[in-house]
Amino acid sequence: NAGVTQTPKFQVLKTGQSMTLQCAQDMNHEYMSWYRQDPGMGLRLIHYSVGAGITDQGEVPNGYNVSRSTTEDFPLRLLSAAPSQTSVYFCASRRDPQSTQYFGPGTRLLVL
Amino acid sequence: AQSVTQPDIHITVSEGASLELRCNYSYGATPYLFWYVQSPGQGLQLLLKYFSGDTLVQGIKGFEAEFKRSQSSFNLRKPSVHWSDAAEYFCAVGALSGTASKLTFGTGTRLQVTL
Repeated sequence: NAGVTQTPKFQVLKTGQSMTLQCAQDMNHEYMSWYRQDPGMGLRLIHYSVGAGITDQGEVPNGYNVSRSTTEDFPLRLLSAAPSQTSVYFCASRRDPQSTQYFGPGTRLLVL
Repeated sequence: AQSVTQPDIHITVSEGASLELRCNYSYGATPYLFWYVQSPGQGLQLLLKYFSGDTLVQGIKGFEAEFKRSQSSFNLRKPSVHWSDAAEYFCAVGALSGTASKLTFGTGTRLQVTL
């Protein structure tokens, strides 16, 4: 198993550009989440999904969109990047709420 | 709404000394509680978790944590710290409420180990 994979590992964007952060898992997990990590603020939940076709907002959803068309994939879209979205983004998945949540290696995003 | 407080931003201990990292949570029902560790430049790895039953849970790498409902705490402990334990530690509380299931993290405690 590859576990949770994220691409790209690093990205530089200009303000106003759009991009999609990719996340995939091969463990057949229903629950997937996107977090951003900023110094001194821990991990903050952006969006999460409890199965294909079902998504919901977390603590900091503004400026981000998600969709879940398959169990395996959970892409995060930035429609118009802003410097405040400079962060490290982690995707995670788990089988159910009691199970271990597995994290991807992260995507480091810099918005100029 | 659920929340987690880790009051210590940064802790320094000597190698071989004991360690306790504090975690307080807020949640209306019985929580699911987790401790994760993050080494520099890495993702997060689960150390241990608590759902029910014995309030003292054992984890990997010699860590343990004790759930105290009366204090709304889930402190992480290790009897003897190794230099390789230097990392950032995150406490998290989970909710189980239909489609509202999610995991909320604290702001983390950075552990430095001196030789």
